[in-house]
Amino acid sequence: AQSVSQHNHHVILSEAASLELGCNYSYGGTVNLFWYVQYPGQHLQLLLKYFSGDPLVKGIKGFEAEFIKSKFSFNLRKPSVQWSDTAEYFCAVNGGNYQLIWGAGTKLIIKP
Amino acid sequence: DAGVIQSPRHEVTEMGQEVTLRCKPISGHNSLFWYRQTMMRGLELLIYFNNNVPIDDSGMPEDRFSAKMPNASFSTLKIQPSEPRDSAVYFCASSLGTTTLIQYFGAGTRLSVL
Repeated sequence: AQSVSQHNHHVILSEAASLELGCNYSYGGTVNLFWYVQYPGQHLQLLLKYFSGDPLVKGIKGFEAEFIKSKFSFNLRKPSVQWSDTAEYFCAVNGGNYQLIWGAGTKLIIKP
Repeated sequence: DAGVIQSPRHEVTEMGQEVTLRCKPISGHNSLFWYRQTMMRGLELLIYFNNNVPIDDSGMPEDRFSAKMPNASFSTLKIQPSEPRDSAVYFCASSLGTTTLIQYFGAGTRLSVL
């Protein structure tokens, strides 16, 4: 069965620090990969996605993610975080049917 | 487009009462998903509709939960009778087709069962 693992449940950073959130999945076939963000009290919004092509994907608000097929990973990065990036971040994977398999989420807190 | 619209935003009820959550998907989207989010279990898929037909309801916790989609622009999730352990945020999401996998989420309904 497909699964998604987000290793860090909580991350605390200071403003301007660099961010990397890990996401690993288990599925041997072609995958579509997503990062969603949930700001406090709000709904989930798509941050970025990978379907095919360049494995380095750029999303909104300066976020990017790199798909490394050999490592089954799709880590999210941002060079310099802001207080407004405080949110919960979810990685999701689709392996060919309608379902998105969701990671448990990583709560990111940025200290001003 | 107004996005996915859910109502109510907050619902407080007493144990044993019936609760009905509502969702209006984005116009033109033909896939609809109901999710439940809790601290303990994260985001769980409850049921998936495609073209108004329930395709997968394996995530529905038990018979107290039921969902309907009478037309392309409306879906309900009903809990009867409600229990305190049903307290959670319930999200509805829609997407265009089964191959376009981007799901657009509503603002959610925060349910508290006392």
